[in-house]
Amino acid sequence: DSGVTQTPKHLITATGQRVTLRCSPRSGDLSVYWYQQSLDQGLQFLIQYYNGEERAKGNILERFSAQQFPDLHSELNLSSLELGDSALYFCASSSSFGGEKLFFGSGTQLSVL
Amino acid sequence: DAKTTQPNSMESNEEEPVHLPCNHSTISGTDYIHWYRQLPSQGPEYVIHGLTSNVNNRMASLAIAEDRKSSTLILHRATLRDAAVYYCSPNTGNQFYFGTGTSLTVIP
Repeated sequence: DSGVTQTPKHLITATGQRVTLRCSPRSGDLSVYWYQQSLDQGLQFLIQYYNGEERAKGNILERFSAQQFPDLHSELNLSSLELGDSALYFCASSSSFGGEKLFFGSGTQLSVL
Repeated sequence: DAKTTQPNSMESNEEEPVHLPCNHSTISGTDYIHWYRQLPSQGPEYVIHGLTSNVNNRMASLAIAEDRKSSTLILHRATLRDAAVYYCSPNTGNQFYFGTGTSLTVIP
């Protein structure tokens, strides 16, 4: 158990809909990272937050957004969903904003039908 | 971004050593090199990381080339539980880059 909690584990929705994925980092970790994993793309970095502030942005679509709340949990919002958004979404946390090892959650499997 | 090149797949016999290579020729001088592995149906888990010197921990050893353009993860005695996808990941500032990794098959 990494100590990182992601909910829900599975999500099935339709094209055009909006969903919210939730992540609770390990106790004491200030940094949260979001990754997307699809079969043909590997693990793609989306975005990172540190203590409530956005610190780095990767290949995140404009239809996607995220935030980190004062209690340090984070949410990833995906809107106007397309079939190609079907993937595993992982959250990871670390104690600082660079260099420290990441602890990953077990992921949210999103299926867009 | 520092990109990585790893073999798509490798095989090893059980209880034999395994050397998993990674090329990261565009790495910057301050990027740490991390290795993670992902077991089936699980999130990636940390294995080891280093900057310049070789590193050892209970899971594996990390050998870093002198010019830091490549590294090798060494599993000293592969077990069936080591079958996973292994990613080398340069920590580029705030971002951890993951490529498509090496799928390791361990043969009993």
